[in-house]
Amino acid sequence: GAGVSQTPSNKVTEKGKYVELRCDPISGHTALYWYRQSLGQGPEFLIYFQGTGAADDSGLPNDRFFAVRPEGSVSTLKIQRTERGDSAVYLCASSGSGNTDTQYFGPGTRLTVL
Amino acid sequence: KQEVTQIPAALSVPEGENLVLNCSFTDSAIYNLQWFRQDPGKGLTSLLLIQSSQREQTSGRLNASLDKSSGRSTLYIAASQPGDSATYLCAVYSGNTPLVFGKGTRLSVIA
Repeated sequence: GAGVSQTPSNKVTEKGKYVELRCDPISGHTALYWYRQSLGQGPEFLIYFQGTGAADDSGLPNDRFFAVRPEGSVSTLKIQRTERGDSAVYLCASSGSGNTDTQYFGPGTRLTVL
Repeated sequence: KQEVTQIPAALSVPEGENLVLNCSFTDSAIYNLQWFRQDPGKGLTSLLLIQSSQREQTSGRLNASLDKSSGRSTLYIAASQPGDSATYLCAVYSGNTPLVFGKGTRLSVIA
């Protein structure tokens, strides 16, 4: 595709439910990043993949959050037992190779936990 | 821990004015700095990336400068237009986490 795509664009769920957020990076990009953006804040780093492996997951807030990228392309961010504080826009970005390259962002998934 | 601050938080200017957005960071040991634009409800669009060895980058009406030793960057927008209205985010890469962002400056250009 032409850019990074994310699905769904909006997700409303109830407290305690499980959600999956999907990211399709730019074709050929080996690096993939997940960020979380709360209202009025800048994006905060969650996890970074280089290929299939998580190169840095230091930003994941707790063990309810998990992400995979099994074939080195599409990635899924998984949140268990959602809490109201998880409500935010979840952004995905990809870049050609490493951390020093320009990152291209998707439109984000707005998650609302009721 | 790297921290990024952007001033002002919001700015409103009449169309045609030149303006400057400011970004400061606490750890000068960075690899690069990026300026992004974010429209309401949208993702981020990269505007300019400055490597640590560079002093400035230009793209059209935009010019970004970097003073690594003082921990500062500015984004200069010439002849502002209503279509420039958006939130502008500054982010640095310093090798610890991929990008550390400021909270952004919300710009309104009034026709």
